Amino acid sequence: DVKVTQSSRYLVKRTGEKVFLECVQDMDHENMFWYRQDPGLGLRLIYFSYDVKMKEKGDIPEGYSVSREKKERFSLILESASTNQTSMYLCASSLGSGGFYGYTFGSGTRLTVV
Amino acid sequence: KNEVEQSPQNLTAQEGEFITINCSYSVGISALHWLQQHPGGGIVSLFMLSSGKKKHGRLIATINIQEKHSSLHITASHPRDSAVYICAVRPSGGGADGLTFGKGTHLIIQP
Repeated sequence: DVKVTQSSRYLVKRTGEKVFLECVQDMDHENMFWYRQDPGLGLRLIYFSYDVKMKEKGDIPEGYSVSREKKERFSLILESASTNQTSMYLCASSLGSGGFYGYTFGSGTRLTVV
Repeated sequence: KNEVEQSPQNLTAQEGEFITINCSYSVGISALHWLQQHPGGGIVSLFMLSSGKKKHGRLIATINIQEKHSSLHITASHPRDSAVYICAVRPSGGGADGLTFGKGTHLIIQP
């Protein structure tokens, strides 16, 4: 069964901490995405990557960075966590671009910054 | 800027009822996705459409490209269909960026 695995379901961090959210896919997909989901706002794209070491900003990249050193792994980094980054974070992957391929989502990481 | 509007935002129905959730968008798209999110957060892809109609079990999705509108129908609804249903579009024009999402429709099916 193909999967997108996020390393943590729940995470509590302190303001100012550096936070790493890890995402691994086993489908050899080219494209990987990080979204955050907030009540009333829906899912919003933070960053995406279409190849190893390649990254593109999404709609809300401020306060985040990403790393893709291997095809199967896409990491989201909060350099200095703040309370307004408390949210549900979802990773997704897709075989190719253009929207003609399905997306597979991870189970999400609910991050609380205190 | 592409907007994706879903209606209704919340829907409560009785088991067995026929359910319709609507999605409208404002720009040209290459594909439209219907997603299901159960409590706990995981999202499952239900359909991907670029034209016409698709059916899977009790779920039917339709799209009208000219009117920029899609509907998701559930026949013989069941309490296990209770979830948030999300419409998402992939704007046309190339590139590898992700989807633009609607805010979701929270569906509750009562026994």
